[in-house]
Amino acid sequence: AQSVTQPDIHITVSEGASLELRCNYSYGATPYLFWYVQSPGQGLQLLLKYFSGDTLVQGIKGFEAEFKRSQSSFNLRKPSVHWSDAAEYFCAVARMDSNYQLIWGAGTKLIIKP
Amino acid sequence: ETGVTQSPTHLIKTRGQQVTLRCSSQSGHNTVSWYQQALGQGPQFIFQYYREEENGRGNFPPRFSGLQFPNYSSELNVNALELDDSALYLCASSRRGGEGEKLFFGSGTQLSVL
Repeated sequence: AQSVTQPDIHITVSEGASLELRCNYSYGATPYLFWYVQSPGQGLQLLLKYFSGDTLVQGIKGFEAEFKRSQSSFNLRKPSVHWSDAAEYFCAVARMDSNYQLIWGAGTKLIIKP
Repeated sequence: ETGVTQSPTHLIKTRGQQVTLRCSSQSGHNTVSWYQQALGQGPQFIFQYYREEENGRGNFPPRFSGLQFPNYSSELNVNALELDDSALYLCASSRRGGEGEKLFFGSGTQLSVL
C-alpha cells in the first residue's frame, strides 16, 4: 500500500537559516510527488511537484525539492527561511492509476525563531 | 486566493445528525475532490467527482456521500454523524487532463460534532 512518512512533527529554525523537511514514500511505481503548505485557517497551497525528468524541482517562494529514487525520498529545502514561512508542510504522493488521489503525510510544523 | 469557496466555514452538530457541506469550484475546473483532515493529521481522501459522477473513493463508509452539479459545484453529505467525524473538510477542484492535476483547495469547513 502507498504511504508517506514525514518523520519530523515539529522543526524549529532561526530566521535566515537553511531548512530541510524530510519526506519518505512507499509506492510500487514511479510516483507523482507533491509538497503543500498550509497556514492557519487557510487551505492547502501547492509549493512544487515532481512527475518526471530533472530530479531537482523548483517551486514557489524559493523552495526546492529533490527526488531520490534510491532512498524513496522527496525532501523539501530552502536556503534561507523567512518568518512568513512558519506554517505546516505536507508531502503527498499521487496514485497515477486513480485519477490523482493524493495520499498525504502527517505534516511537519515549521516554527521560525526570530 | 484559489477561487474555490466552501461554506459554511464552521459548523457545530450533534451526534446522529446529518450535515451538508458545499463547495464552488474554480472556473474551468470539472473535477472536485473531498478530503477530511483530523486535528494534527494529514488530509484523507474521501472521494472525487468528475462530470457529476463519483470517480474514486477512499476508505470512508457509505454514510459519506456526495454530489456534483452541472456547474461543477459539489456537496458532501454526512449522515448519522459520529464524534470522530469532527475535522476540517477540504474541497479541491482541478481540471482533468494534462500532466497531472493541480489541485486548488478551498479554506475548508471546520465541523465539530458534540
